[in-house]
Amino acid sequence: DGGITQSPKYLFRKEGQNVTLSCEQNLNHDAMYWYRQDPGQGLRLIYYSQIVNDFQKGDIAEGYSVSREKKESFPLTVTSAQKNPTAFYLCASSPGGPSAYNSPLHFGNGTRLTVT
Amino acid sequence: DQQVKQNSPSLSVQEGRISILNCDYTNSMFDYFLWYKKYPAEGPTFLISISSIKDKNEDGRFTVFLNKSAKHLSLHIVPSQPGDSAVYFCAASIYSGAGSYQLTFGKGTKLSVIP
Repeated sequence: DGGITQSPKYLFRKEGQNVTLSCEQNLNHDAMYWYRQDPGQGLRLIYYSQIVNDFQKGDIAEGYSVSREKKESFPLTVTSAQKNPTAFYLCASSPGGPSAYNSPLHFGNGTRLTVT
Repeated sequence: DQQVKQNSPSLSVQEGRISILNCDYTNSMFDYFLWYKKYPAEGPTFLISISSIKDKNEDGRFTVFLNKSAKHLSLHIVPSQPGDSAVYFCAASIYSGAGSYQLTFGKGTKLSVIP
């Protein structure tokens, strides 16, 4: 079955440590995205990538970094510079390209990060 | 400034009745709208969408209505079932340049369908 795999489902870190969240897709999608969800909030875009070796900042990129070395993978690093890192992180993908506007995003099941 | 607003954080409906979830937007450049459904500890799943050139799209029990002049869309679920209990996110798509589109999400409405 094609889909998006995020691991781990739950992650705990001490304040001041960097942590990397994994996202892998086997949908052959060009575009991948990272969103953050906080309680009572909508999904906010952190970073997105339309193609391998290219990515752009979303609305709340500060304190985060990404890489896109392979089409299938789009890991997100939460750095110590992120002031409020505890949240539910969602990775998504879409076919991208000219038809991107009407291509729904496919989401993984998320990683809940807790930083203490 | 929130460009996509879902003003009702929660909604309770009796099983078998109609559920109406509302969404307002401020940016007239949005040209495609989507509804996602999300269960706890899972990622959102796509439910239904509508292009800005249409005013209605129907898929089984789910219908989305778009009123461009009012910058308002709504999702109707008829009849509502207990399995519909979830958080529903409204999202709007806009061209962000270089062939890419971005989605802006509302804060979600938690629907509870009471048996």
